[in-house]
Amino acid sequence: NAGVTQTPKFQVLKTGQSMTLQCAQDMNHNSMYWYRQDPGMGLRLIYYSASEGTTDKGEVPNGYNVSRLNKREFSLRLESAAPSQTSVYLCACSGGGTEQYFGPGTRLTVT
Amino acid sequence: KQEVTQIPAALSVPEGENLVLNCSFTDSAIYNLQWFRQDPGKGLTSLLLIQSSQREQTSGRLNASLDKSSGRSTLYIAASQPGDSATYLCAVTSDRGSTLGRLYFGRGTQLTVWP
Repeated sequence: NAGVTQTPKFQVLKTGQSMTLQCAQDMNHNSMYWYRQDPGMGLRLIYYSASEGTTDKGEVPNGYNVSRLNKREFSLRLESAAPSQTSVYLCACSGGGTEQYFGPGTRLTVT
Repeated sequence: KQEVTQIPAALSVPEGENLVLNCSFTDSAIYNLQWFRQDPGKGLTSLLLIQSSQREQTSGRLNASLDKSSGRSTLYIAASQPGDSATYLCAVTSDRGSTLGRLYFGRGTQLTVWP
């Protein structure tokens, strides 16, 4: 029982490159979330998915797209990376209104 | 918009002290409040969850209280140990229609417990 897993753990991109961050959970939870964590800014919600087949924007969605592939997987795509997207990306899941469980994070640097 | 504030931003104490971390929030329409711990370079680990109808929750040396009407929560750590050194984050789950289920985080308190 791995909980929430994220790949890759680290990534360096050049400005303009694209990539997809992967998140998977084996907790059978309906809701999944993507956050970014920046020094001095705390965690901010990028996108969330209340259930399979639905996605909604959070506080800072610009520059990102998401896909809820199935109940287990929720991916985050950067189509054209910018230095402002250098951050730690955290994925989480919850059973709806209850505790959120977080993955270990992806540390992304955009040069 | 919900704003969550944590005080102090950093705290350094000797081993064995009892300590209190504070969290305040501006909108009392919350579903629950969660305290998390984050170790350097790691994700978040849930410590305690308090439902909006509850006043407190306890787990081992940790006790969290919630005063929803005044928008405050405290995390009490008894007999602190060096292993407690980490950043502690407070988050509230919105109970307001347009943002139902969203989590709003404070910026955390960085705790150092020295031997």
